[in-house]
Amino acid sequence: KNQVEQSPQSLIILEGKNCTLQCNYTVSPFSNLRWYKQDTGRGPVSLTIMTFSENTKSNGRYTATLDADTKQSSLHITASQLSDSASYICVVSDRGSTLGRLYFGRGTQLTVWP
Amino acid sequence: EADIYQTPRYLVIGTGKKITLECSQTMGHDKMYWYQQDPGMELHLIHYSYGVNSTEKGDLSSESTVSRIRTEHFPLTLESARPSHTSQYLCASSDEDRASYEQYFGPGTRLTVT
Repeated sequence: KNQVEQSPQSLIILEGKNCTLQCNYTVSPFSNLRWYKQDTGRGPVSLTIMTFSENTKSNGRYTATLDADTKQSSLHITASQLSDSASYICVVSDRGSTLGRLYFGRGTQLTVWP
Repeated sequence: EADIYQTPRYLVIGTGKKITLECSQTMGHDKMYWYQQDPGMELHLIHYSYGVNSTEKGDLSSESTVSRIRTEHFPLTLESARPSHTSQYLCASSDEDRASYEQYFGPGTRLTVT
């Protein structure tokens, strides 16, 4: 069964600190992996997309890594800000359909305290 | 920021009422999607469309229906709302880049059925 598991479920950090969120998946065949940021009451916004051949990608203070062999990804947030408080969702796409089927994790709820 | 819009943003309605959730995008995307998301849970695909006059049901069974008469417009209708329909509904669209299938999400409609 294709699944995406994220950990931790929730995380609280102090402003200015770094943190790393984890994503494990069993989706096969693999096409790409995305990290989305979802603010409360809003739609998800894409942070990074990585294909099979990419093992790291950065977007400002966000750096995503991908190990396609172990089917693991991480999202590292550097020098956290209050505005980073949101749910971070790992999404994996398979290669098996023209639709680009997406499998969503439940997200990690990050809270940044001042 | 993606040019995809949803109205209303919030809706509280009584059981048995007919409702239509609106979704419009100005990016000219052929593919559009409706997702349902409960708090702390993953997004579930309930409907999608490849283009005008094309609609398909997603993975999660839903009593809602959709139509795609115009490329930019993908409304979702519930003929008779029930409390079990209370949820957040997210609309998305994607471009034709098969490598990424980047999906752009609207802000969502929070539906409460009393």
